[in-house]
Amino acid sequence: SQQGEEDPQALSIQEGENATMNCSYKTSINNLQWYRQNSGRGLVHLILIRSNEREKHSGRLRVTLDTSKKSSSLLITASRAADTASYFCATGLGSSNTGKLIFGQGTTLQVKP
Amino acid sequence: GAGVSQTPSNKVTEKGKYVELRCDPISGHTALYWYRQSLGQGPEFLIYFQGTGAADDSGLPNDRFFAVRPEGSVSTLKIQRTERGDSAVYLCASSLRRGTDTQYFGPGTRLTVL
Repeated sequence: SQQGEEDPQALSIQEGENATMNCSYKTSINNLQWYRQNSGRGLVHLILIRSNEREKHSGRLRVTLDTSKKSSSLLITASRAADTASYFCATGLGSSNTGKLIFGQGTTLQVKP
Repeated sequence: GAGVSQTPSNKVTEKGKYVELRCDPISGHTALYWYRQSLGQGPEFLIYFQGTGAADDSGLPNDRFFAVRPEGSVSTLKIQRTERGDSAVYLCASSLRRGTDTQYFGPGTRLTVL
């Protein structure tokens, strides 16, 4: 079963624009992680945000977490063609954390040069 | 240092055959995870090891699938009597300690069952 749902499913923007992807989930979580995947192979970890945090930054990336709304967003500023990839949110469940991450179906981002 | 490595990168087999997929985690990482990903979907959890023991195997779809990590480092995912529906990319990840740490993924093994 899938917990997270990303929105939009696909996003196409011009280089230099900002890209915002949203993730919603259903149950309480311990943490939420964002990953990037190129060409359907290995996932690259971007950011981990814990349930007691509201916002984190890493370079051009900004992640927010709203546990009351069970949602998170990933903002990529000043996008580049190299940012073209699929982006996934993944939730680590709260209380009895087993290490299991539950992924959404992802947002496919295309950045046009 | 080196990341998570997986072998083989591609595996083609026939329905009914047995396959083994190998994962070498990042050195020193005690937690290891297996996921599988079908085309157009997000990864789906299979099993989580803490050290040598399977702490959570709730994602294994049936008893044709099992995994081992005998020395707490390398892990092997074993699939018996493969079916066409087993075709997917099998991803391995590791994290430093607990299940709440960042998980680092390998490049995956693409399994095709003919």
